[in-house]
Amino acid sequence: LAKTTQPISMDSYEGQEVNITCSHNNIATNDYITWYQQFPSQGPRFIIQGYKTKVTNEVASLFIPADRKSSTLSLPRVSLSDTAVYYCLVGDPYSGGGADGLTFGKGTHLIIQP
Amino acid sequence: DAGVTQSPTHLIKTRGQHVTLRCSPISGHKSVSWYQQVLGQGPQFIFQYYEKEERGRGNFPDRFSARQFPNYSSELNVNALLLGDSALYLCASSLARNRNEQFFGPGTRLTVL
Repeated sequence: LAKTTQPISMDSYEGQEVNITCSHNNIATNDYITWYQQFPSQGPRFIIQGYKTKVTNEVASLFIPADRKSSTLSLPRVSLSDTAVYYCLVGDPYSGGGADGLTFGKGTHLIIQP
Repeated sequence: DAGVTQSPTHLIKTRGQHVTLRCSPISGHKSVSWYQQVLGQGPQFIFQYYEKEERGRGNFPDRFSARQFPNYSSELNVNALLLGDSALYLCASSLARNRNEQFFGPGTRLTVL
């Protein structure tokens, strides 16, 4: 799986929009970009997945430029409860068997202040 | 609909002992994966099972083993526990069609003394 690089930590304030950028220079043609959120002492939770351009759901937006070597997770109007670790992963969601599992890095620790 | 469940929630063992962790996937999910998460790190892939067969294994020693039952629940076994095995053990289930979307349980916190 392609390696990803993302900031170790970020701070923001309630009501702000937060953008977390992930670099994945070696992304393969069949790879998708997936983001997970993890609160302390809980399992990660799938947030969003995309292949190119822009994907939006009720939680976040994902922006992917044409070269796909990076991506940005955008969280609109964050609240204190968005304080968590956010992981960026790349991989082929439809490869046979899923034998590699998901590869998580250290993630970005996002801290939201009042 | 119930999510992924794991038992026990917490466990304390001593070095050299054996431990068995259990996982029940979301109804209808046939794929179960196990991950180890040590403090300050992201989860690390241990095993993936699909239709009761091992489909993938991460870089873990043979002390780690697992199996999947006909009802798709799963067990992770760790023999000869080491201090370094202390971690949060996560189970995730998924539908086969999108392996990047996995549903994680709350984990079992294992402490080895």
